Amino acid sequence: GNSVTQMEGPVTLSEEAFLTINCTYTATGYPSLFWYVQYPGEGLQLLLKATKADDKGSNKGFEATYRKETTSFHLEKGSVQVSDSAVYFCALDAGGTSYGKLTFGQGTILTVHP
Amino acid sequence: SQTIHQWPATLVQPVGSPLSLECTVEGTSNPNLYWYRQAAGRGLQLLFYSVGIGQISSEVPQNLSASRPQDRQFILSSKKLLLSDSGFYLCAWSPTVVEKLFFGSGTQLSVL
Repeated sequence: GNSVTQMEGPVTLSEEAFLTINCTYTATGYPSLFWYVQYPGEGLQLLLKATKADDKGSNKGFEATYRKETTSFHLEKGSVQVSDSAVYFCALDAGGTSYGKLTFGQGTILTVHP
Repeated sequence: SQTIHQWPATLVQPVGSPLSLECTVEGTSNPNLYWYRQAAGRGLQLLFYSVGIGQISSEVPQNLSASRPQDRQFILSSKKLLLSDSGFYLCAWSPTVVEKLFFGSGTQLSVL
């Protein structure tokens, strides 16, 4: 079956530090890959996505590249801010008859200190 | 614009009591609707999804059920809650042609 594995958290960084949150996946076929973010007290929001190999998704200074050879979709940001503190979820959509049904990782809590 | 409403935000229920969580979507027609749950220390797991009124697909066997009595209303229910039903429940919707999911703010359910 499909699965997503995220690096375990929580992750604590100082403002302006570099961020990497690792995500690897297992899926048949060619899934679409997503990063969702959940800010305190809010629902999940789509942060970025990539639909095919070598695509790079980007938004709000965050980036992730779809690497089929390593089955990875690591999230990166060059300089984090306090406002980036949230829970980050990696997810995949296997497509086909699974279209719209996402498989999520367990989430990574990020805390950024001033 | 489209909005999704989910309530209540938190709920504490005794074991064996019934459950009803409601989710409504505004500003769109014939959405796909989803219920997800996050148990402590685990990822989000899809429980149910629906592509139309009265159409419910269950992803995992469990103590819960879902119903869609109206196009933009999705209800998660249980007749008798178990301790293992505790978790964070999220409702979501997507257009029929799925590009992304839009999530509600969630319900934190504690069964004691």
